[in-house]
Amino acid sequence: EDKVVQSPLSLVVHEGDTVTLNCSYEVTNFRSLLWYKQEKKAPTFLFMLTSSGIEKKSGRLSSILDKKELSSILNITATQTGDSAIYLCAVEARGKLIFGQGTELSVKP
Amino acid sequence: NAGVMQNPRHLVRRRGQEARLRCSPMKGHSHVYWYRQLPEEGLKFMVYLQKENIIDESGMPKERFSAEFPKEGPSILRIQQVVRGDSAAYFCASSPRQGGWVDTQYFGPGTRLTVL
Repeated sequence: EDKVVQSPLSLVVHEGDTVTLNCSYEVTNFRSLLWYKQEKKAPTFLFMLTSSGIEKKSGRLSSILDKKELSSILNITATQTGDSAIYLCAVEARGKLIFGQGTELSVKP
Repeated sequence: NAGVMQNPRHLVRRRGQEARLRCSPMKGHSHVYWYRQLPEEGLKFMVYLQKENIIDESGMPKERFSAEFPKEGPSILRIQQVVRGDSAAYFCASSPRQGGWVDTQYFGPGTRLTVL
């Protein structure tokens, strides 16, 4: 059965800290891995990764895919309270997205 | 460019009633996906539709649930004879999906269904 697992499930840090969120997958027909941010509403798209070893970056957020290890990480540097959210990892297989449980990040001032 | 639109945002139904959830994809997007998020659980795929076609309904419960995406108008997720266990947030996503390229799915704000 296709599976996406995220760790940790929850994380509490202070402003300015750097965090690393993990995502591992066992999915047949892998096409891409996506990261979303969810703040009590619609998941907001962050990154889509298709190739191993190529880092995608947007401001303080970055992500990389390792197809050999079947995993991805999402890094957030210099965290801010506005980064508090649930971060979702999803793998696309034949159109549908298979989601992990999410990592709930709380950034304290 | 308006994003994915869903309505209603909140829907309250009594057990046994019908629920109709609507989704209008982003302009230029011809593929629609429905996901359900049960309390304290992750998002789970339900169904993938293209205009007038169901592409993959492997995540749909076998009974009471149906979905359509007509040639004109929004996609509809219909739940007949709702039960308390149907209470959840239902999210719609859309993508352009042109020619087999990998695609990004963009999500709407969701419909929160509460069954009393």
